[in-house]
Amino acid sequence: EPEVTQTPSHQVTQMGQEVILRCVPISNHLYFYWYRQILGQKVEFLVSFYNNEISEKSEIFDDQFSVERPDGSNFTLKIRSTKLEDSAMYFCASSDQGYYGYTFGSGTRLTVV
Amino acid sequence: QQQVKQSPQSLIVQKGGISIINCAYENTAFDYFPWYQQFPGKGPALLIAIRPDVSEKKEGRFTISFNKSAKQFSLHIMDSQPGDSATYFCAATGTGGGNKLTFGTGTQLKVEL
Repeated sequence: EPEVTQTPSHQVTQMGQEVILRCVPISNHLYFYWYRQILGQKVEFLVSFYNNEISEKSEIFDDQFSVERPDGSNFTLKIRSTKLEDSAMYFCASSDQGYYGYTFGSGTRLTVV
Repeated sequence: QQQVKQSPQSLIVQKGGISIINCAYENTAFDYFPWYQQFPGKGPALLIAIRPDVSEKKEGRFTISFNKSAKQFSLHIMDSQPGDSATYFCAATGTGGGNKLTFGTGTQLKVEL
């Protein structure tokens, strides 16, 4: 079964540092997403990306966040200057038919110290 | 209006029993309602989904009941097994929203022997 692959699985960073979370979506999918889940809370939408541009972003996705699809296979989330409250599990997802058939990766646990 | 309310927060069911999780929404533009299962340390995995043109959908031991007029939907797990112990999230999405999923707050299900 095709998978969404995320690396690293766990990243610890100091407050104020930049981090890049990496994702390899399923190869024939066209829609890409980032979500986050603060420990014990619900999964929250960050951003959707289609046709090389952002389709929609949430209030959480402020100027500190950016996404990029640098080549045909990777999809990255960059946080420019991390804050303690950015500590969360970040999930990448992709879909081939809009909101049908979402597949989530296993996540990157980001810990900001 | 974008919220999806989910209850209960946690649920303990005996092996072989029926687990029932309820969700309610406000936004009438939602037209796709998936349920996700999440094990610790993993991403949400699509379990079953429904569109509002049907009142029930069954896949194996999992059934979604949908009440469009009440704007409520529920997940029923028949013959619950210890392997079903996980966190369950309802979600909703619709056209014009960048395909973002709005998640409920999650239900931690424990199936006891």
